[in-house]
Amino acid sequence: NAGVTQTPKFRILKIGQSMTLQCTQDMNHNYMYWYRQDPGMGLKLIYYSVGAGITDKGEVPNGYNVSRSTTEDFPLRLELAAPSQTSVYFCASSYSKQYLYEQYFGPGTRLTVT
Amino acid sequence: GESVGLHLPTLSVQEGDNSIINCAYSNSASDYFIWYKQESGKGPQFIIDIRSNMDKRQGQRVTVLLNKTVKHLSLQIAATQPGDSAVYFCAENLNSNSGYALNFGKGTSLLVTP
Repeated sequence: NAGVTQTPKFRILKIGQSMTLQCTQDMNHNYMYWYRQDPGMGLKLIYYSVGAGITDKGEVPNGYNVSRSTTEDFPLRLELAAPSQTSVYFCASSYSKQYLYEQYFGPGTRLTVT
Repeated sequence: GESVGLHLPTLSVQEGDNSIINCAYSNSASDYFIWYKQESGKGPQFIIDIRSNMDKRQGQRVTVLLNKTVKHLSLQIAATQPGDSAVYFCAENLNSNSGYALNFGKGTSLLVTP
């Protein structure tokens, strides 16, 4: 198993540009999450999904959108990039609500908006 | 929110010594507590968890202690090795119906010196 994979690893955007951060897991996990991590800080939840077709907002959803058309994929969309979205983005997955604390994280995408 | 916090931002220990990383929480409704390890440039990795109905749990070289009276959590690493150098996060999974993700603290950086 590759686990959780994320692409790209690095990206520089200009203010107002759009992009999609890709996330794929091959563990057949129901639950998937997007977090952002600002320098020297813990992770903040952006969006989460409990299964294909079901998504919900987390703590900091403004400026982002997600979709979950398949169990494997959970892309994160930035429509109008702003400097405040400069961060490292982590995708994670877990098997079920019972084991949701055992979240498996991808390697992250480092995004800079200038 | 920021109910999960860490007492020290950095901790330096000598190889072979035991390490203790502390964490305080403020929400008495928290159900699970989890410790994650994040190495430089990587996503967080699950270490160990503990439920609120327990006060101690042991893993391989790690022990988590939970003191609900003072809302305190600690991670003990025995015989610390250079490979233990990383940032350690405590996280809580709030026992509510509104979210499924983890609330992370800011992290403690552990540096193991030879």
